[in-house]
This record gives sequence, structure tokens and C-alpha cells, in this order.
Amino acid sequence: AQSVAQPEDQVNVAEGNPLTVKCTYSVSGNPYLFWYVQYPNRGLQFLLKYITGDNLVKGSYGFEAEFNKSQTSFHLKKPSALVSDSALYFCAVETGTASKLTFGTGTRLQVTL
Amino acid sequence: DTGVSQDPRHKITKRGQNVTFRCDPISEHNRLYWYRQTLGQGPEFLTYFQNEAQLEKSRLLSDRFSAERPKGSFSTLEIQRTEQGDSAMYLCASSFVDRGSYEQYFGPGTRLTVT
Repeated sequence: AQSVAQPEDQVNVAEGNPLTVKCTYSVSGNPYLFWYVQYPNRGLQFLLKYITGDNLVKGSYGFEAEFNKSQTSFHLKKPSALVSDSALYFCAVETGTASKLTFGTGTRLQVTL
Repeated sequence: DTGVSQDPRHKITKRGQNVTFRCDPISEHNRLYWYRQTLGQGPEFLTYFQNEAQLEKSRLLSDRFSAERPKGSFSTLEIQRTEQGDSAMYLCASSFVDRGSYEQYFGPGTRLTVT
């Protein structure tokens, strides 16, 4: 069975500071990892993915994520946070069969001035 | 707008009634997925289709739930004899697996409230 853990319910950061949202995973075989963002009353928006190759992947809105196989982690990062980044962030994993995604419980990011 | 659309966006029903939701995927996408999301949780997988074939169903999908994707285009999710525990956001997503892209694109969801 595959699973995702997002250990922080909420992350608070000041605008302009770097942010990190943590994610660890458990899966049999090679992981296919994703980050999605959810704004209030809106669906999930795809941010970025890791399939293979370079461990640092870049995505939308200046976000990036680092895949670490030994630590089974896929943390989301951004060098300089914006107030508009405030939202709910979900990490997800699947096994490369383009079947079901398994999501974490989400981390609420709050960026303040 | 060429994204995934869902209808209705909100549904309030009384316990015991049947409800049906519709999802229209991105037109060239061959896979379609249904998820359920409750407050404070991440989406949970329900079922998915490759074209018109239903390939997998979660244990969450009880006998009261049925999903179809006739002709491999839009999909419907029906819940019979609704219960209060069915109250949730029902999300639809689609992907084009043959391109090897794997990411799923989500619709805005249908929020179901069972009273």
C-alpha cells in the first residue's frame, strides 16, 4: 500500500522569506510524486511532479521540490513567499501506472506581510 | 474553457434520496478519475476509467455508489439511498496517460450535503 505523510498542518512564513512544506512517502517500487494546491472553493491545481531524472524539479508559480530517495521525501520549496501563495497544499504519490493518486492530509500555508 | 467541468457544483439532498453527478473531462484525455474529499482530509480515490472501461474501484465505493463513462466521454457518479456520511466534496480528474505525463487535472468539484 502507498501512503503520504505531511507532518505539518500549517506553515506560517513572512512574505519574502523562503518556504518549505514537507512531504514523506511510502510506496512499493519507484514513486511518481506530485504537488497540488487548493484555493478556497476551487479544485486542485497541479504544481509540479517528479517522475525520474534530476532530483530538483521546478513547477508553476516559482515553486520547486526536491526528491530525496534515501529519506523518502519530496519537500516543496519556494525561495521567496508571496501573500498570494496562501492556500492548502497536497502532496500525492502513485506508482507509475497512471492509476490512483494517494494524497496526504494537506498543509495550510499562511504567508503574512 | 477547456478544463474539467463538473455539474452541479452544489447539491443538497435529504437522506435516502438518490443523487447523480456529472463530470466532463478535458476532451482528449482518456482516463477519468473520481475522488472524495472530506473536511480536513486529502482527496480519497473512488474509481477510475480508461476510456469507457472501469479499471479499478476503491473499497470506499459501496454498493450504493455506481459510476459510468458511456462512450468514453463524460462520466456520471450516482449515489443511491444517500446517508449523512456521504456528505463530502466529490472531485473528478482526467489525464492522458499515453503521453506519459501522469498528472491528473481536477475539476472544481461537487459539494454534496445530505440532511
